[in-house]
Amino acid sequence: EAQVTQNPRYLITVTGKKLTVTCSQNMNHEYMSWYRQDPGLGLRQIYYSMNVEVTDKGDVPEGYKVSRKEKRNFPLILESPSPNQTSLYFCASSLLPSGGADTQYFGPGTRLTVL
Amino acid sequence: LAKTTQPISMDSYEGQEVNITCSHNNIATNDYITWYQQFPSQGPRFIIQGYKTKVTNEVASLFIPADRKSSTLSLPRVSLSDTAVYYCLLTGGGNKLTFGTGTQLKVEL
Repeated sequence: EAQVTQNPRYLITVTGKKLTVTCSQNMNHEYMSWYRQDPGLGLRQIYYSMNVEVTDKGDVPEGYKVSRKEKRNFPLILESPSPNQTSLYFCASSLLPSGGADTQYFGPGTRLTVL
Repeated sequence: LAKTTQPISMDSYEGQEVNITCSHNNIATNDYITWYQQFPSQGPRFIIQGYKTKVTNEVASLFIPADRKSSTLSLPRVSLSDTAVYYCLLTGGGNKLTFGTGTQLKVEL
């Protein structure tokens, strides 16, 4: 089954404790991205990747890191989480490098709480 | 970066047709108009995409006038399960995607 998976689905952590949220897709997609969703603010893009070893900032990259060492994986790293990073996070992938007649496939989401 | 504007919320009743309009005055030549649906605590799901005129699939129709400065998502005969947030996006103009806050559709009996 074609899908985007994220782990963990739920995470409660404390300020300053480094964490990684994994994202994997099995559709051989070039483009992957991370979003966060907060009440009243909609979905905001954090980082995106056009292909292996190619990443770029989205609209809200502060406090986050990403890496794209393999085509299928795009982990989101929070080196020193803070309470304002408490949010619902979504990973997405698409075949084409964004745009055009293409669609994004989203993962199930990771609900992160930073105390 | 081209932006879209859509109503914050809409209410409807089961069996009615719902039309959600999205304004995109600065749409670029290579932009497509894409709509996503999102249920609470789930990732957005692709509904429909178009470039111009009308597109129809098993879920919805998308109407795009000749000037492409707006588009209308039409959901025929909605049911309670269509209660969700609907996002209008322009795709094709760059690598960043802007979802905005979407339109919260509430369908009642």
